[in-house]
Amino acid sequence: AQTVTQSQPEMSVQEAETVTLSCTYDTSESDYYLFWYKQPPSRQMILVIRQEAYKQQNATENRFSVNFQKAAKSFSLKISDSQLGDAAMYFCAYRTSNSGNTPLVFGKGTRLSVIA
Amino acid sequence: ETGVTQTPRHLVMGMTNKKSLKCEQHLGHNAMYWYKQSAKKPLELMFVYSLEERVENNSVPSRFSPECPNSSHLFLHLHTLQPEDSALYLCASSQGASGRYEQYFGPGTRLTVT
Repeated sequence: AQTVTQSQPEMSVQEAETVTLSCTYDTSESDYYLFWYKQPPSRQMILVIRQEAYKQQNATENRFSVNFQKAAKSFSLKISDSQLGDAAMYFCAYRTSNSGNTPLVFGKGTRLSVIA
Repeated sequence: ETGVTQTPRHLVMGMTNKKSLKCEQHLGHNAMYWYKQSAKKPLELMFVYSLEERVENNSVPSRFSPECPNSSHLFLHLHTLQPEDSALYLCASSQGASGRYEQYFGPGTRLTVT
């Protein structure tokens, strides 16, 4: 079974600085998708960024980028120029690319605080 | 209304009560999901519906009963719950149930079982 591990329960960053959240996963699949979701205190979970495993290029989305290391099964999230609104729980998630019904497997999350 | 909505946002119920959680998606998606989010645990998938047919039941106790009357609505009927069922229940939807479709989440229902 696939597992997702986020080893940092809590992180903090100064406003305007850069922070990296780590995520590792375990799978025997070769084709899959990886996601970072953000859950602010209001609780609505939103997708931050996604990465297809078959793509070597790291995904970027404005101030958010990932460092995808397929061989190491590592998928870290970098937030540049951190803003107060970035404070939230961040969940790393994995999903196989099978055409059937495949569940999202989540990590336990990292709580990010942004210090003004 | 846009996105995925859930009602009620907060619910307190006794162990002998019967209640229902409602989820509605306005995105034209074909798949809907129920997740349970407990403190210090990863999100746990409970049920998946694809085209109104239940395609996944992740070993959930029978005191949780899902219902999907159409592709836009998903219910979770609750009866004789236990205190350990207290959690945030999240609904999500996606264009399809396969892995390449991202999921859009609702704000959740905070359930407290007394």
